[in-house]
Amino acid sequence: QVQLQESGPGLVKPSETLSLTCAVSGYSISSGYSWGWIRQPPGRGLEWIATISHSGSTYYNPSLKSRVTISVDTSKNQFSLKVSSVTVADTAVYYCARRSDGAYSDYWGQGTLVTVSS
Amino acid sequence: QSALTQPRSVSGSPGQSVTISCTGTSSDVGGYNYVSWYQQHPGKGPKLIIYDVSKRPSGVPDRFSGSKSGNTASLTISGLQAEDESDYYCSSYAGTYTFVVFGGGTKLTVL
Repeated sequence: QVQLQESGPGLVKPSETLSLTCAVSGYSISSGYSWGWIRQPPGRGLEWIATISHSGSTYYNPSLKSRVTISVDTSKNQFSLKVSSVTVADTAVYYCARRSDGAYSDYWGQGTLVTVSS
Repeated sequence: QSALTQPRSVSGSPGQSVTISCTGTSSDVGGYNYVSWYQQHPGKGPKLIIYDVSKRPSGVPDRFSGSKSGNTASLTISGLQAEDESDYYCSSYAGTYTFVVFGGGTKLTVL
């Protein structure tokens, strides 16, 4: 059974960098599929942030591209997200997920709430 | 504002059918057969219920079905049950630049 688990600070100060990690179990990241991050501001809808393929190709939401970096560490079977220069608008539940070729995400983490506040 | 347009809410009585629409453009919904639907209960993560427009993952009841016509995709839930009360989101592949877009979500109330 594929499982994903997000981890990272729950509170980040404005202008700082948000860093999250997604640990994957039950499947080797290097074997295939793509891996990505999606976020959901409180009371609002889902927003795709970024995706990285098993070969290392990266794809970013154009509206966030200048501030976001996604990377993968195959040795630890995990992938990560960095969002720089955060503002209160970046407050959200951040989900990591596995993405299949059809652009759907079949396995999701439970999500982690990140609050941007001073 | 979300890239895909969904009704904010729909409702139905137990046993009835409801349909949730998801309208995009020829650059996303209309251009690819890569529409997916997710169910999200309060405080939980999204669960995939439909992919590639009309396919159901293992374990999803056949009461859930998906379709597409032009730039609009639809999710139909037949034989409504109390546990279907949830938020539903559509999503579509949108090309190698925009990549993935979501709808704003629809709250389903089972009366």
